[in-house]
Amino acid sequence: GQNIDQPTEMTATEGAIVQINCTYQTSGFNGLFWYQQHAGEAPTFLSYNVLDGLEEKGRFSSFLSRSKGYSYLLLKELQMKDSASYLCAVQDSNYQLIWGAGTKLIIKP
Amino acid sequence: IAGITQAPTSQILAAGRRMTLRCTQDMRHNAMYWYRQDLGLGLRLIHYSNTAGTTGKGEVPDGYSVSRANTDDFPLTLASAVPSQTSVYFCASSDSGQSYSGANVLTFGAGSRLTVL
Repeated sequence: GQNIDQPTEMTATEGAIVQINCTYQTSGFNGLFWYQQHAGEAPTFLSYNVLDGLEEKGRFSSFLSRSKGYSYLLLKELQMKDSASYLCAVQDSNYQLIWGAGTKLIIKP
Repeated sequence: IAGITQAPTSQILAAGRRMTLRCTQDMRHNAMYWYRQDLGLGLRLIHYSNTAGTTGKGEVPDGYSVSRANTDDFPLTLASAVPSQTSVYFCASSDSGQSYSGANVLTFGAGSRLTVL
């Protein structure tokens, strides 16, 4: 079966750095997405990786290793507004999106 | 309207009743989707439409139906609601369809919280 694994919950301190991991086992691979979802709101797109390596976008970076079936989202200079759930999703060989259950990130002052 | 509008925001429904969740987008996106989100589970695709006039089944289509008469609207109907359909429902759209070989970025609506008693 297809599977996306993420930690259920993480806690970090304002101003610090946090890394949210995502491992996947899917039928083929056509890209990996990260979305942010604040409580009670819609998911919003953060990043897309299809080739190995690091993609940097401001305070957020996303890394992909296709051989290891692994990605991480790195958040720097954490702000209270970064408290949210972070969803990892993989596009499989049929271009269907397989979603992880999400990682709830709690930021403490 | 800016983006995707879903209605109702929240609804409590008796089991056995029929319910339609509405979804309208103003971005002229070709593809639209309905997902359900349940605690501890990833988003699960119910139905999708790659273009007006076509629909397809997702991962969990049973008990749901959709139509796509035009580009902007994609209603989801529960013909006879059951308690297991209690969930938060998200409508989404993308410029490209599900078979697009690139970054098929989804734009989501704010969600409809449905409780079936």
